Amino acid sequence: DAGITQSPRYKITETGRQVTLMCHQTWSHSYMFWYRQDLGHGLRLIYYSAAADITDKGEVPDGYVVSRSKTENFPLTLESATRSQTSVYFCASSSWGDEQYFGPGTRLTVT
Amino acid sequence: KQEVTQIPAALSVPEGENLVLNCSFTDSAIYNLQWFRQDPGKGLTSLLLIQSSQREQTSGRLNASLDKSSGRSTLYIAASQPGDSATYLCAVYSQAGTALIFGKGTTLSVSS
Repeated sequence: DAGITQSPRYKITETGRQVTLMCHQTWSHSYMFWYRQDLGHGLRLIYYSAAADITDKGEVPDGYVVSRSKTENFPLTLESATRSQTSVYFCASSSWGDEQYFGPGTRLTVT
Repeated sequence: KQEVTQIPAALSVPEGENLVLNCSFTDSAIYNLQWFRQDPGKGLTSLLLIQSSQREQTSGRLNASLDKSSGRSTLYIAASQPGDSATYLCAVYSQAGTALIFGKGTTLSVSS
């Protein structure tokens, strides 16, 4: 099915553990994005990618790592999870400057 | 730094009422503006995209307008229905960047 998917949808992990959130899109969009959504802060950009092997930091990149070896995948890794990274994470994709389409989100809890 | 503000934060209306949601942004040099809907616990659904050269876009009962010079956009919902209850988010692409900058949303409740 065409679209953008995220996995897992829910994740509980412990402080200090490494966690990887997956994002996959089938539109061949060149741009992909990771946002986090928190009460009181709204949606904030973590990282984005303009193409395979091209990534750049957003507003809140500390503690996160991304890679993009294939156009359709954009995984987000929390190298050593902290409680402040408890959040809902959204992946999105688009062509440059065009309508962004969002995945269903991953709800991450760090205990 | 671009900032996006949505007022009011929450709005309650009876079914059938026409309503307007407001969005303002501090830097008028935007590339485009996008309105989203988010249901509780769900992802974001794109409603309308307005390019910087456009003044408005329409989709069904929704009409979004854009006034770059004043830094404002409005989302007009005609004949509101309980199914319209959700949080509505406004986001802008700045010309300098490629990612959206979001407002914090207006939570709409339509009662039957």
